[in-house]
Amino acid sequence: KAGVTQTPRYLIKTRGQQVTLSCSPISGHRSVSWYQQTPGQGLQFLFEYFSETQRNKGNFPGRFSGRQFSNSRSEMNVSTLELGDSALYLCASSWGTGLNTEAFFGQGTRLTVV
Amino acid sequence: QKEVEQNSGPLSVPEGAIASLNCTYSDRVSQSFFWYRQYSGKSPELIMSIYSNGDKEDGRFTAQLNKASQYVSLLIRDSQPSDSATYLCAVKYTGGFKTIFGAGTRLFVKA
Repeated sequence: KAGVTQTPRYLIKTRGQQVTLSCSPISGHRSVSWYQQTPGQGLQFLFEYFSETQRNKGNFPGRFSGRQFSNSRSEMNVSTLELGDSALYLCASSWGTGLNTEAFFGQGTRLTVV
Repeated sequence: QKEVEQNSGPLSVPEGAIASLNCTYSDRVSQSFFWYRQYSGKSPELIMSIYSNGDKEDGRFTAQLNKASQYVSLLIRDSQPSDSATYLCAVKYTGGFKTIFGAGTRLFVKA
């Protein structure tokens, strides 16, 4: 069974540009969550999608957005990139959204903003 | 503000010893608890989940949950150098089911 797949693995962008990251969940999983990981802030929750609906949102500016498609694949978009957006962006999938559902992470996309 | 606190370490233990990793959380309505292991440059990998008070064992790993004291711990028996990693505690809350991660504890197992 294939795991969570994130593309691209590495990305270098210039300040002011926008970027789109992709996440394909484990087959059968309908929930996708996105996290930003930096050395100083740790893992910070961005948003969660289930059945194409955003269920939860973290404390990030509106420049960060996401969506989920009918096949459960998800994308996140960051517009007007800032240097501080440089981070590892992780996607996690789970079969549902209940309390006892376990989430599994993809390998992440390393974004560098220059 | 819901918080999950972990000692950042590093925690250093000799090979074969028991490593004890602790995590405290701030909100009493927390319901689900997870431990992840993250090797340097890699993504987090789920080790265990625990939902009710008491101990849960899986191989060399034991998770312990005490909701009254608001802490969850992970014991690693017979620690191996390959266990050297950062261990992340995650707490899933009711009311939106948002999952909050601690900053992680770095563990070094010395051969």
